[in-house]
Order: sequence, then C-alpha cells, then structure tokens
Amino acid sequence: QSLLTQSPSASGTPGQRVPISCSGSSSNIGRHAVSWYQQLPGMAPRLLIYSDNQRPSGVPDRFSASKSGTSASLAISGLRSEDEADYYCATWDDSLNGWVFGGGTKLAVL
Amino acid sequence: QVQLVQSGAEVKRPGASVQVSCEASGYTFTVYYIHWVRQAPGHGLEWMGRINPNNGATNYAQKFRGRVTMTSDTSIRTGYMELSGLTPDDTAVYYCARAVSDYNWFDPWGQGTLVTVSS
Repeated sequence: QSLLTQSPSASGTPGQRVPISCSGSSSNIGRHAVSWYQQLPGMAPRLLIYSDNQRPSGVPDRFSASKSGTSASLAISGLRSEDEADYYCATWDDSLNGWVFGGGTKLAVL
Repeated sequence: QVQLVQSGAEVKRPGASVQVSCEASGYTFTVYYIHWVRQAPGHGLEWMGRINPNNGATNYAQKFRGRVTMTSDTSIRTGYMELSGLTPDDTAVYYCARAVSDYNWFDPWGQGTLVTVSS
C-alpha cells in the first residue's frame, strides 16, 4: 500500500482534458516537491513534471501540474492517442527517509 | 546527451545474488546520485535506495536493508546494485535513475534490466 494514492485508471477521448490526482500526507507531499513520470508500454519511465509544476524541455505544454496542501494533480489537455500510458507521482517522505511513488494511473485514450 | 545504460537481463535461482550495472555518460558522474527503482510485473514503481558516487554514501529503503548493496566506480562512471537472497518475489525490472540530491527528481532513467528468479 503506497503512501501516495492515485486512482488506478483514467480515460478520455482525443482532445479532452483529463486530470490525474495524487494524494499524500504532511510527511511527503505536504513538505516536498512532487514529480510526475510517464511510462509508455514496455518502456522505462520518463520525467514529465518536476518541482510540482515545471516541465522539462521537450515535454509538451499540454501537460501541466499543480499542488495544494497534501495533494497534487497532473492534467493532460488536448488528449492524444500517444498519451496512453501509466502515470506516476513521486516525492520524498520524511517518515520513511526515502522516496515514495504513487501506485500509478493507467490512462486509456478511447 | 545524458544517458544511463544498464546491463542485460539475468536469470537467477532462489537464494542467489544478482548485480546490475548502470553506466553513465554525458555528465559529471560525481555530481549526481544514482537511485535504483524496481517494478515487478504488472505492478508500480518501488524505490530501493541510492548512492552518492562522490563519497560512496548510501541510503537504502528499509525493506531492502541487509539485502541490497549499492556501489559505484568513478573511474568507469558506473553504478552497481547487488541484491542477495533472491526469491521469486524479486522478479522485476530494475531501473537506475539520476538525481541531483535526495529530494530532486529522477532524470534520466536507464533502460531497465529484467531479473527473473526461478527454480
């Protein structure tokens, strides 16, 4: 059972906006920056968002993220078929003195 | 470009040990930590620990303490993760990833190494 809670699945049709949530606590999201990772089928994860809401170069601005209190969220707008992937939130946890990942959200593009 | 290249797939018997390597290129090796994350088939990502190649300091997830050893060789810009006492539950893809410190994000990731534990 991960300390970060994500809905197991999400879906949308092309062009839609889809939110993905990540709920934590004061020992993790409440104190530390959140990063988000996209994992395409059969591939290694890749960084999508860092420092709560910053996009690395090369990540389309269709991907955005925010954080409030002990929860974070990722939003994908203008949904495309190639966005079909697993999405993970992650952050440091003070009580574990280590990193924690959310359980992942599998996004389907219908 | 910044790249992490991992060693190839392994098949091990229960009780054995496995060592996975992670060769870095495109950046100053000693400036960034090397973290290790694993993913069992059909499951999510699980952080195992990290090493600071600058001084060899490690921080292991409690679940793996006593079974995991992370090392690095700065002369060949390579990090290593050794896991002992393997059981079938250790069957997973093992990833290395770079981070500037304990609190920063992972970027990039290695391509992953499949370790299969089976009798």
